[in-house]
Amino acid sequence: GDSVTQKEGLVTLTEGLPVMLNCTYQTIYSNAFLFWYVHYLNESPRLLLKSSTDNKRTEHQGFHATLHKSSSSFHLQKSSAQLSDSALYYCALSDDGNEKITFGAGTKLTIKP
Amino acid sequence: GPKVLQIPSHQIIDMGQMVTLNCDPVSNHLYFYWYKQILGQQMEFLVNFYNGKVMEKSKLFKDQFSVERPDGSYFTLKIQPTALEDSAVYFCASSRDWGNYAEQFFGPGTRLTVL
Repeated sequence: GDSVTQKEGLVTLTEGLPVMLNCTYQTIYSNAFLFWYVHYLNESPRLLLKSSTDNKRTEHQGFHATLHKSSSSFHLQKSSAQLSDSALYYCALSDDGNEKITFGAGTKLTIKP
Repeated sequence: GPKVLQIPSHQIIDMGQMVTLNCDPVSNHLYFYWYKQILGQQMEFLVNFYNGKVMEKSKLFKDQFSVERPDGSYFTLKIQPTALEDSAVYFCASSRDWGNYAEQFFGPGTRLTVL
């Protein structure tokens, strides 16, 4: 079945430094959709980015990610971390439809002053 | 943005009892989902539901689980009887459409503790 791997469970960075959260995936479907969800404490997880187009950069709210099917990766990046970026970030995958989403284990991002 | 509400936020029950978790989806959404997240693990798909029917369920959706949305009210997940391994945070989600162009909106979760 589908799987999503987020190598880093915890990432701590100083404000202003670049952010990169790793995500790799496995699926047999060629038309998979990849997602990044952000989950702030005491709130609902919400969609940050999604993409199904190979080698196309997707951006939202200062974050960006590029789906690379050749390496099965969808890493999340931001040029300059802000304190408000501290949250749980989930990479996720949906194969032929959005009916079922497969989530990674999540990366807890903490930004320090 | 659109909000999904979940009631209650926390529930503590004794093993063997029945529990119903309630989800108030976005008002014009037609597709509904439950996910389960055991502490320290990833969120896992349980079931999706449309037009009064389960469309797809995972192996985590045991026989003791059932879902329904009577008369357009809450979308509910019922567990009867509960077991210790049912302790988890349960997230409800809803979407207006089906397929990859539809965004699932999540609720804040219900933390279920089975003693």
